[in-house]
Amino acid sequence: GAVVSQHPSWVICKSGTSVKIECRSLDFQATTMFWYRQFPKQSLMLMATSNEGSKATYEQGVEKDKFLINHASLTLSTLTVTSAHPEDSSFYICSATQGGQGREQYFGPGTRLTVT
Amino acid sequence: GEDVEQSLFLSVREGDSSVINCTYTDSSSTYLYWYKQEPGAGLQLLTYIFSNMDMKQDQRLTVLLNKKDKHLSLRIADTQTGDSAIYFCAEKGNTPLVFGKGTRLSVIA
Repeated sequence: GAVVSQHPSWVICKSGTSVKIECRSLDFQATTMFWYRQFPKQSLMLMATSNEGSKATYEQGVEKDKFLINHASLTLSTLTVTSAHPEDSSFYICSATQGGQGREQYFGPGTRLTVT
Repeated sequence: GEDVEQSLFLSVREGDSSVINCTYTDSSSTYLYWYKQEPGAGLQLLTYIFSNMDMKQDQRLTVLLNKKDKHLSLRIADTQTGDSAIYFCAEKGNTPLVFGKGTRLSVIA
């Protein structure tokens, strides 16, 4: 099946710094990628949807200036958490689909961000 | 917005069957999914069912869909300790996947 990777798998950063998370589709072209956030013992919350070559569409309540999403190629999307604060600590998961709103979303393994 | 509801916890004995239930509100759902998440890991797609199907069986997994009642269930036969995880129901209609809060399955040896 299709494989999605994320890097790093975990990261610790200091308050006020920025951190970038990469999401790659390894064996397929992902025209659409999604970024989710998961709090402990809770469900996944969709943060934004990005299509290759265009601006991401953010869900209500998600600050686009804080969570910068770039989908520069058909195999790579990045999420940059700017000026991180401890409340940004969370598990961030990306997923990707082939051919736009395809029936299957392939999920990455997630990135655990801890802001100290 | 669309909503997906699941019970939060289920505990079964090893060897028994587990049934995890889910209800959803989106009448335009085309696909419904079950994902498994082990501690500290991402989501693993277990199975999915197209909305015009009533049942799908895949080895130990059986998915039942009652479209009229918008009710989805996942049955795991001969539940093993390795099945202990959180199981998420998700639906896809005209929007990206909408997830339930997940059901934590505990398997007692």
